[in-house]
Order: sequence, then structure tokens, then C-alpha cells
Amino acid sequence: SQQGEEDPQALSIQEGENATMNCSYKTSINNLQWYRQNSGRGLVHLILIRSNEREKHSGRLRVTLDTSKKSSSLLITASRAADTASYFCATALMRFGAGTRLTVKP
Amino acid sequence: GAGVSQSPRYKVAKRGQDVALRCDPISGHVSLFWYQQALGQGPEFLTYFQNEAQLDKSGLPSDRFFAERPEGSVSTLKIQRTQQEDSAVYLCASSPDRANGNTIYFGEGSWLTVV
Repeated sequence: SQQGEEDPQALSIQEGENATMNCSYKTSINNLQWYRQNSGRGLVHLILIRSNEREKHSGRLRVTLDTSKKSSSLLITASRAADTASYFCATALMRFGAGTRLTVKP
Repeated sequence: GAGVSQSPRYKVAKRGQDVALRCDPISGHVSLFWYQQALGQGPEFLTYFQNEAQLDKSGLPSDRFFAERPEGSVSTLKIQRTQQEDSAVYLCASSPDRANGNTIYFGEGSWLTVV
């Protein structure tokens, strides 16, 4: 498959907790990207991690990449209700999986 | 604005009707993508343009779907003889460079309902 596959499919947490979602892929990559989609909207780019990077931070986001396992994880720390959205990963050919639907309860 | 613009935002079509969906990418962007997203699903790749060249149309589900970008800027996705299973959001995205894992910028989508 040329697309990333996210898991879990759905995640529900309380505000203030951390949320971790994972992405697996099958082909070699130059980089991997995470996107967010609020209900009824287009996707918004969150962060890009290159294949020679193992970890990257952006605000409350932390992304890790393990090329030996062909997997990546996205950690959102101190979650807020506004983080409620679907999250997708994508590799070079910009194919997306089904996403992780995150619900953050206030 | 300076983002990707799609029109119409909402379209209701009767089964069998032809529809045309327009995408205005960010000015100067080389790459343009079309995706189909059914409710509760991820975006499914339809086709990719680099300037005016349609380099990948492997995701188009049938020969009823046709996309063009004749001058390398605005793109149109046309669906002929629409069927109920065509009901979805159609997302357009563009990127300043050739598609190689570069960041792409999405429009808000065109919501198509076939009745």
C-alpha cells in the first residue's frame, strides 16, 4: 500500500490528557506528514518529519518516526476540546488512510 | 483569499445529471490533487496534475470521472451521469512543488449529493 494507515480508528479522552495516534506505512519514504481535519472542513497540515529525523516537536505536538518499523506516532499533549478532529498521516504520494477520530471531552 | 478555492461548495444533482467541480489552486502552485471523501472515511486519491499534465489518474473510479487543468492553474473535475455512490466531498489540494512528499494545501471541498 502506498498510503499511511492510522490507528486507533477512534480515540476519546478527557481534556488535559495526552493523545497518541499511530501511522504505519509499507514503502520507503523521504518524509511523512500529519494532517488534521475538522468536521466539514479541508485537511490542514500539522507537521512534516523527514526520514533522517527521529523526533520533531511543534507546540503541543510531538511526532516520532521509526523507519525500521515503518511507523510514526503523533502525540498531542495537554489536549483541549478544540483538538477534536480527525488526524491523518501521508507519505510521498499523498495518499491518506482512514484516519484517527479524536474526541476530547471538556 | 490566498488559499485553495473550490466551487460550488454544495451541489445537489439528480441521478444521471452531469456535474462540474472547480478548483482554483494557490497562485503559482505546480501540483494539484483531487480527492474523494465519503462520510467518515479518509480522502481517497483521484488524480494528480503537475502543471497541465495529468501524471496520475489511477484513482478515478470510472470513466464517468474526468479531470482537466488545461492552463496549469484552474482545474475542473467532471462527473458524468452521476450515481448515488458519487455522493461525497470532493477535495482539491495544491502544492508549490512537484509531488514528492511536500506539504499540500487543501480547499474546503465541494459537497456533492446525488438524489
